[in-house]
Amino acid sequence: AQSVTQLDSHVSVSEGTPVLLRCNYSSSYSPSLFWYVQHPNKGLQLLLKYTSAATLVKGINGFEAEFKKSETSFHLTKPSAHMSDAAEYFCVVSDRKDSWGKLQFGAGTQVVVTP
Amino acid sequence: EAGVAQSPRYKIIEKRQSVAFWCNPISGHATLYWYQQILGQGPKLLIQFQNNGVVDDSQLPKDRFSAERLKGVDSTLKIQPAKLEDSAVYLCASSLDLQRGYNEQFFGPGTRLTVL
Repeated sequence: AQSVTQLDSHVSVSEGTPVLLRCNYSSSYSPSLFWYVQHPNKGLQLLLKYTSAATLVKGINGFEAEFKKSETSFHLTKPSAHMSDAAEYFCVVSDRKDSWGKLQFGAGTQVVVTP
Repeated sequence: EAGVAQSPRYKIIEKRQSVAFWCNPISGHATLYWYQQILGQGPKLLIQFQNNGVVDDSQLPKDRFSAERLKGVDSTLKIQPAKLEDSAVYLCASSLDLQRGYNEQFFGPGTRLTVL
């Protein structure tokens, strides 16, 4: 069984300050992990993914995430927030042993960026 | 490359009515998914197709929901009859071919359904 817990439902940051979105996962096997972003009235967009290579993963728009197996975490960070980063972010897990790659989404973290 | 297309974008119906949503995946993508996203929650998988076969419909309320992908390309999701709790955004996604172990999914803009 697989599951994801996003530890913050809402995060508010000032423009230019760091962003940290926390995610813990549970997986019976080696997981694939993803972060997706959803802007209002737009489709979900993949930010980055971890499949089994480097534990520090770089994504689009300056985001990165670090896979920590000992802590079962996959936190998303960005050094400096931009107004365009205001959106909802989803942490997603998939068991790689499941050949059909079923995705399990977290409940989401709403990010607000203030000027 | 064109993305995943969905229509309509918005739909308002009364309870006990029927509704259908259409999805056209990215060209060449063998795997197609329908998700339900209730306000304030993450998307939940309803059904997953590999070409024109169903590989997972364990969370599809089969007494009222149905889906098909007859020619292995576009797909239709139907609700009949609708209930108030079906109000949600219905997302369609596609991926290249899960059987080759690549499961990055590309999402459409969704259809926002309101049941009154």
